[in-house]
Amino acid sequence: GAGVSQSPSNKVTEKGKDVELRCDPISGHTALYWYRQSLGQGLEFLIYFQGNSAPDKSGLPSDRFSAERTGGSVSTLTIQRTQQEDSAVYLCASSLSGDLSYNEQFFGPGTRLTVL
Amino acid sequence: TQLLEQSPQFLSIQEGENLTVYCNSSSVFSSLQWYRQEPGEGPVLLVTVVTGGEVKKLKRLTFQFGDARKDSSLHITAAQPGDTGLYLCAGGRNTGKLIFGQGTTLQVKP
Repeated sequence: GAGVSQSPSNKVTEKGKDVELRCDPISGHTALYWYRQSLGQGLEFLIYFQGNSAPDKSGLPSDRFSAERTGGSVSTLTIQRTQQEDSAVYLCASSLSGDLSYNEQFFGPGTRLTVL
Repeated sequence: TQLLEQSPQFLSIQEGENLTVYCNSSSVFSSLQWYRQEPGEGPVLLVTVVTGGEVKKLKRLTFQFGDARKDSSLHITAAQPGDTGLYLCAGGRNTGKLIFGQGTTLQVKP
């Protein structure tokens, strides 16, 4: 498809386990973003990749969270030693570039993470 | 610290009524976006406003960016059940990340 895809769509894990969430952005988009959303709430910025520049990691809540983007395309968000407060929907978005005034962010459907 | 305060958080109205959602901040943004999100899906962009005082209309939706670029409003005329969803405002500063408000859950009853 032509949109942003994320996998898995749902993930249930036990407290203390590590999880990996995947994002496939729209082809040709240089900017990729990860957000976290609690039920019915707004989105919390996590991390932003723009081309080959160093990522903006200012939103990562702890050092248990990390993300990488390989080859300027697919991105993986890793949460180590998951805690119950990590339960949320993790959303990925991509845009042509990071200039928000002119470029729309296209969101994937999200991965719903539940930590038991 | 919530940089963007969105109100109201919940709104339940009858079909045909008008409504306004507000998005306020003490900070200046270079752009302000409004998104609509349905359950199980990611947000979808409705509009981007970039100029202080700018007004944009999208059918029955009217968006306004405050003169000082610190606040915005979304007005829906004659709401329909299809307008039901979560409305999100988001401010940008051309740094790549969006600052989102808490969202307004709108329910339009037939």
